[in-house]
Amino acid sequence: DTGVSQNPRHKITKRGQNVTFRCDPISEHNRLYWYRQTLGQGPEFLTYFQNEAQLEKSRLLSDRFSAERPKGSFSTLEIQRTEQGDSAMYLCASSVDRDPLTFGSGTRLTVV
Amino acid sequence: AQTVTQSQPEMSVQEAETVTLSCTYDTSESDYYLFWYKQPPSRQMILVIRQEAYKQQNATENRFSVNFQKAAKSFSLKISDSQLGDAAMYFCAYRSRTSGTYKYIFGTGTRLKVLA
Repeated sequence: DTGVSQNPRHKITKRGQNVTFRCDPISEHNRLYWYRQTLGQGPEFLTYFQNEAQLEKSRLLSDRFSAERPKGSFSTLEIQRTEQGDSAMYLCASSVDRDPLTFGSGTRLTVV
Repeated sequence: AQTVTQSQPEMSVQEAETVTLSCTYDTSESDYYLFWYKQPPSRQMILVIRQEAYKQQNATENRFSVNFQKAAKSFSLKISDSQLGDAAMYFCAYRSRTSGTYKYIFGTGTRLKVLA
């Protein structure tokens, strides 16, 4: 296992388009997290899953954002009708039991 | 709600010297985890060190150590013998152990520059 994998690494999209990102966690990790990070800021919590159940979602997250983890393995994060303010790095992380988060390399989204 | 505050946006240290990064947090809970993560430029976030709140002993990992002051809700990171590779953004993070949530809350980060 090579760690947490995120695809694509970079995404440029036009305003109003939908985008989807994928995260493959470390295989034995049952918890999977999505964070958003803008330049010079700390990671902002979006949502997390335990197995396939989405246990918590940020109240800051608009209805344009949705995440799934259908089989408790990989996860997808979809942003509908993208806006320029959605431009950011989207980070995925996973963990198990008491272990700390292991992060992926992130997907950088640019909305033009 | 828990919050994490890093009041130093940027710090500089001379190579081989020691630097301390500050972090304060706010919580009403008594049992939790605290973390320091490092994010090098254009690279992924990696764990530096972890502290469990019920442990009084400060955590250490090689050149990295923490000063955990539970009553003051302070959690600073000391980097000894600083190296050029230590240059990065450093984030302090909090996770509850008792509230039923596994959400991690991060501070805004401190950019560390290491001067040759």
